[in-house]
Amino acid sequence: QKEVEQNSGPLSVPEGAIASLNCTYSDRVSQSFFWYRQYSGKSPELIMSIYSNGDKEDGRFTAQLNKASQYVSLLIRDSQPSDSATYLCAVKGRDDKIIFGKGTRLHILP
Amino acid sequence: EADIYQTPRYLVIGTGKKITLECSQTMGHDKMYWYQQDPGMELHLIHYSYGVNSTEKGDLSSESTVSRIRTEHFPLTLESARPSHTSQYLCASSRPLRGTDTQYFGPGTRLTVL
Repeated sequence: QKEVEQNSGPLSVPEGAIASLNCTYSDRVSQSFFWYRQYSGKSPELIMSIYSNGDKEDGRFTAQLNKASQYVSLLIRDSQPSDSATYLCAVKGRDDKIIFGKGTRLHILP
Repeated sequence: EADIYQTPRYLVIGTGKKITLECSQTMGHDKMYWYQQDPGMELHLIHYSYGVNSTEKGDLSSESTVSRIRTEHFPLTLESARPSHTSQYLCASSRPLRGTDTQYFGPGTRLTVL
């Protein structure tokens, strides 16, 4: 089982709708979780970090964490064409390393 | 905005050449990382450092080497470049703070070995 799993997509969402990106992780003691956005040919940039169970909102973005289910998600409200990118889930494991998922390609349809 | 720099941004070089990819950060971060990423593919950790004089190999086997003589500088060296080394190389840094460990990425170096 991969340590951090994401659906590779592409996930196609109409403009203005909610995009939902999901990530599962295998290490139960993980404490820190991150979502990065990566445009084609560019480097990843941090969108949000989350450390406690529940929801964390920042503008149009909401991160959700459920440690019991080992599941973290990212919701993007009012999706815009500029949100089209690959979204990387990252988890800090027990050995202090940060493990990245393969990423989900999101395509916002105008 | 993160202050982490990589040079060169693009490099085309012949097989057998020795190359050094530079990475520097002005944030005083203790941790630094090198990732390799092919287009449309996942990030692979190739080297990391938790501080001066500390270097470790990552999860992906790499023929490159790194050094960390100064906190702000983490260069990556390929002694003899090969076409299989063609890829994007991303440097990142972080500072654990109150349980967080956010990594900030440089702009990357796109390497092509002919």
